[in-house]
Amino acid sequence: GAVVSQHPSWVICKSGTSVKIECRSLDFQATTMFWYRQFPKQSLMLMATSNEGSKATYEQGVEKDKFLINHASLTLSTLTVTSAHPEDSSFYICSARDRSTEATGTQYFGPGTRLLVL
Amino acid sequence: AQKVTQAQTEISVVEKEDVTLDCVYETRDTTYYLFWYKQPPSGELVFLIRRNSFDEQNEISGRYSWNFQKSTSSFNFTITASQVVDSAVYFCALSVRYSLGLNFGKGTSLLVTP
Repeated sequence: GAVVSQHPSWVICKSGTSVKIECRSLDFQATTMFWYRQFPKQSLMLMATSNEGSKATYEQGVEKDKFLINHASLTLSTLTVTSAHPEDSSFYICSARDRSTEATGTQYFGPGTRLLVL
Repeated sequence: AQKVTQAQTEISVVEKEDVTLDCVYETRDTTYYLFWYKQPPSGELVFLIRRNSFDEQNEISGRYSWNFQKSTSSFNFTITASQVVDSAVYFCALSVRYSLGLNFGKGTSLLVTP
């Protein structure tokens, strides 16, 4: 149980294009999902918190107009990197908190999406 | 502000050795949650354990054990009789409220050689 999927797993795009990454909780409902970014050999940095049916909360320094987050249902959140540039190349990881066990605070992570912007 | 420090950047051990990964955290909140995750080369994070600030009972699960000490703000992780498959980056993380995202340490890269 508690499986989170991400699509695509790899994406290569040209500078200036937009890329959408999907995060799905497959066997549970998630009122809260989180988006992290990880540069090579570095730690994960929280980008934003996505709550179903409401606007995402962004961490300081993260541009909300560049990283659009939509959490339209209890099982799906999307991250769109708009007008991507080479410096946006990174490993993007989502996580979800199981609605039924929210009090435990445990987050289940997706497999990540590697983005390369040329 | 919250902070998680993993002072060990890389550790290399020979198979069957025991290894302890250190984690020190900082927070002013009295209620918080601590986690350990494993990230193998594939990149996917694997949840290992969660601890609440009000539960200092240490735990053993198979070859894994955890030592939570509030007095020293530490949450160390020990692998007994390490195996090659344990090779990965291990992250310690902190959340001050269950609804918030995790603050990760920089990770400790563990290499277990045959």
